[in-house]
Amino acid sequence: DGGITQSPKYLFRKEGQNVTLSCEQNLNHDAMYWYRQDPGQGLRLIYYSQIVNDFQKGDIAEGYSVSREKKESFPLTVTSAQKNPTAFYLCASSGQSRPYEQYFGPGTRLTVT
Amino acid sequence: AQKITQTQPGMFVQEKEAVTLDCTYDTSDPSYGLFWYKQPSSGEMIFLIYQGSYDQQNATEGRYSLNFQKARKSANLVISASQLGDSAMYFCAMREALGRDDKIIFGKGTRLHILP
Repeated sequence: DGGITQSPKYLFRKEGQNVTLSCEQNLNHDAMYWYRQDPGQGLRLIYYSQIVNDFQKGDIAEGYSVSREKKESFPLTVTSAQKNPTAFYLCASSGQSRPYEQYFGPGTRLTVT
Repeated sequence: AQKITQTQPGMFVQEKEAVTLDCTYDTSDPSYGLFWYKQPSSGEMIFLIYQGSYDQQNATEGRYSLNFQKARKSANLVISASQLGDSAMYFCAMREALGRDDKIIFGKGTRLHILP
């Protein structure tokens, strides 16, 4: 089945460590996105990529980094520079046929202590 | 200023009743899109419905309809004949300048509780 996978579902890290969240899609979508969601809040855009080897900062990119070496993959690294990394992270993608519709992965809940 | 405003943090509705979730938006771009997503307790985001700013008719998808009032800048979601499985967070979102900028802005959400 086509879709977006994010792993792991739950991730625990010590403060000061970098951590990479994976996002893979087999929908043949060009665009991919990373969002952060805090309790009681909507989604805030971290980074997005409309094409391989290109990406743009979203509204809250500080302390995060991404790469887009393959169409299917858009990993997000939460660096030690991110002051409040504990959150729920959602990856999404969209295709050219329905660019207004974003398909979301199941999310990764990151806890940093 | 918030671009997407959802004024109802939470709602309780009796099963089988219709539900209206409010959403107002702010944009100066004539070309934009409006969305609604459902987020169950599992955390996944489920796309429900889309309305383009130039669409002449209100969007409908099964039990979901979008009451689009352009002059008032509102895009309320209407769920007819609510079901227990409709209990979830609902997010209104907007995408400006379709094709040029691929960003979607989300509201803070409304938590809907359907009562048996």
